[in-house]
Amino acid sequence: GNSVTQMEGPVTLSEEAFLTINCTYTATGYPSLFWYVQYPGEGLQLLLKATKADDKGSNKGFEATYRKETTSFHLEKGSVQVSDSAVYFCALSASMDTGRRALTFGSGTRLQVQP
Amino acid sequence: DGGITQSPKYLFRKEGQNVTLSCEQNLNHDAMYWYRQDPGQGLRLIYYSQIVNDFQKGDIAEGYSVSREKKESFPLTVTSAQKNPTAFYLCASSMRSGNQPQHFGDGTRLSIL
Repeated sequence: GNSVTQMEGPVTLSEEAFLTINCTYTATGYPSLFWYVQYPGEGLQLLLKATKADDKGSNKGFEATYRKETTSFHLEKGSVQVSDSAVYFCALSASMDTGRRALTFGSGTRLQVQP
Repeated sequence: DGGITQSPKYLFRKEGQNVTLSCEQNLNHDAMYWYRQDPGQGLRLIYYSQIVNDFQKGDIAEGYSVSREKKESFPLTVTSAQKNPTAFYLCASSMRSGNQPQHFGDGTRLSIL
């Protein structure tokens, strides 16, 4: 079956530090990959996506590249801000026998950025 | 603005009681989903619907029921058979075709009295 593995948190960084959150996946077929962000008490917001190998998704200074050879989709940002403190979820969407395209999520990584 | 509205934001259930969580979307999306989130964990799929009057069980459907009578609405009922219902419930929707991202509501937090 499909699965997503994320690095455990919390990740604690100082403002302006470089961020990497690792994500690897297992899936049949050709999944699409997503990063979502969740702020306290809220739902998930789409941060970026990539739909095929070597695609780079980017948004708000965050980037992630779809690496099929290493089955990875690591999230990076060159300089984090306090406002980036949140929980980040890696997810994949892959059709299964039933045609289902619901997302499979990693367990989430909490990022804490200190001023 | 288009979006997904979940209500209520907080809900309390007594033992042996069924409760219904509301989810409405005005994004004209065909597909809708319900997820459950437990503390420190990812989201698990409860039910999903790709079209009106049709829905399928997800990974943890036991103790839950849904209906999809209108495109805009996908209510979730947490029945008394669900023995551990305390969680954060998230509704999402997406276009049915292709690799479209899902859009999420702000969630309902359900607790047991």
